Amino acid sequence: EAGVAQSPRYKIIEKRQSVAFWCNPISGHATLYWYQQILGQGPKLLIQFQNNGVVDDSQLPKDRFSAERLKGVDSTLKIQPAKLEDSAVYLCASSFGTGAYGYTFGSGTRLTVV
Amino acid sequence: GDSVTQMEGPVTLSEEAFLTINCTYTATGYPSLFWYVQYPGEGLQLLLKATKADDKGSNKGFEATYRKETTSFHLEKGSVQVSDSAVYFCALSNFNKFYFGSGTKLNVKP
Repeated sequence: EAGVAQSPRYKIIEKRQSVAFWCNPISGHATLYWYQQILGQGPKLLIQFQNNGVVDDSQLPKDRFSAERLKGVDSTLKIQPAKLEDSAVYLCASSFGTGAYGYTFGSGTRLTVV
Repeated sequence: GDSVTQMEGPVTLSEEAFLTINCTYTATGYPSLFWYVQYPGEGLQLLLKATKADDKGSNKGFEATYRKETTSFHLEKGSVQVSDSAVYFCALSNFNKFYFGSGTKLNVKP
């Protein structure tokens, strides 16, 4: 089966600019997750969708980050305006159900804010 | 709340050495446990999993046993290779939430 697709692979922007990341999960996976992974740390959950509804966005900095999952398939994560501390890898993952059997991760988008 | 604690790295071993990376967890109920591996510049890949107590997950020569009595899920491999150099994350899934450890970097020298 095809994996989780993410784009772009790399992005460099200046602080205060905006940026968007795209994710296409594995076909049939109802649950989609966005994680932020700062260099040297474990992934931190930003937002979790079940179909097109938000299950958990408690750690999403809502003043600058937004995410949507229209039609319960693809998802977009946006940062506006970006700060230097947003430099990280943004990982998308999907799972068939609750994740009891694991998630499948995409390759991630490496964001550098200068 | 639920959490995962794994040994800090980096861990440096010579090729063919025995590997153990410790992982302990705190959770209510009956979580599923996982090891993920992240090679340089890549996303996370599921290495192995165990969904109930006493289950042993295994893949590519790596093994981990779900020990409920010690709340542990230690990763082991009998003979590491240079190609095993990566960051290893212990994780748990419980009540539709996923928790990662902070990762352990493994360096294997020829």
